[in-house]
Amino acid sequence: QPVLTQSSSASASLGSSVKFTCTLSSGHSNYMIAWHQQQPGKAPRYLMNLESGGNYNKGSGVPDRFSGSSSGADRYLTISNLQSEDEADYYCETWDTQIQVFGGGTKLTVL
Amino acid sequence: EVQLVDSGGDLVQPGGSLTLSCAASGFTFNNYAMSWVRQAPGKGLEWVSFIGGGGSPTYYADSVTGRFTISRGISKNTLHLQMNSLRVEDTAVYYCAKFHSSGWTIDSWGQGTLVTVSS
Repeated sequence: QPVLTQSSSASASLGSSVKFTCTLSSGHSNYMIAWHQQQPGKAPRYLMNLESGGNYNKGSGVPDRFSGSSSGADRYLTISNLQSEDEADYYCETWDTQIQVFGGGTKLTVL
Repeated sequence: EVQLVDSGGDLVQPGGSLTLSCAASGFTFNNYAMSWVRQAPGKGLEWVSFIGGGGSPTYYADSVTGRFTISRGISKNTLHLQMNSLRVEDTAVYYCAKFHSSGWTIDSWGQGTLVTVSS
């Protein structure tokens, strides 16, 4: 089964950009993943799914500031023009035969 | 608009049972796979169980196999999770989630319902 690896934390200043990485384990570099945002005390929110070729499809209402890209086994989520409400945990997720897999999540602090 | 409303969470003693429900609307329920995902206090997201669009197949995380059963309501757009032999480590917020049409990833979440297992 795939393993999704994420950094545990990140920080960036208001108005700047931040790029998160989700790395797929060996043998799974062609998998589609999804990015989800979880603000403090709230349920997760679907942001987008992201293919190995870099094509992505965002959920309804997700701002244009959020974009995705891919390179090999790495899947990226970039947030530009950071806002205070972007402070949250960000999880990547995928599906393999008979099991759903989540990354450990990256906690974003907006300075 | 897709809506998933979770309910049924409660305080239960170790060894007890509980059934969670998720009321779905805004999409053709039986055309989409669904999952239950949980989050223990202060922890990350953990997948619990999956059910296919027509009610099969069903899959479970090793930690709940043999104790939890996922099912779809017979006449209503409802997802259920029957939980038996509950343990302290099952304490978590439980979310139902809808799969994207690609079948690869989640694209909608319920608001969650809290299950606390404690004596």
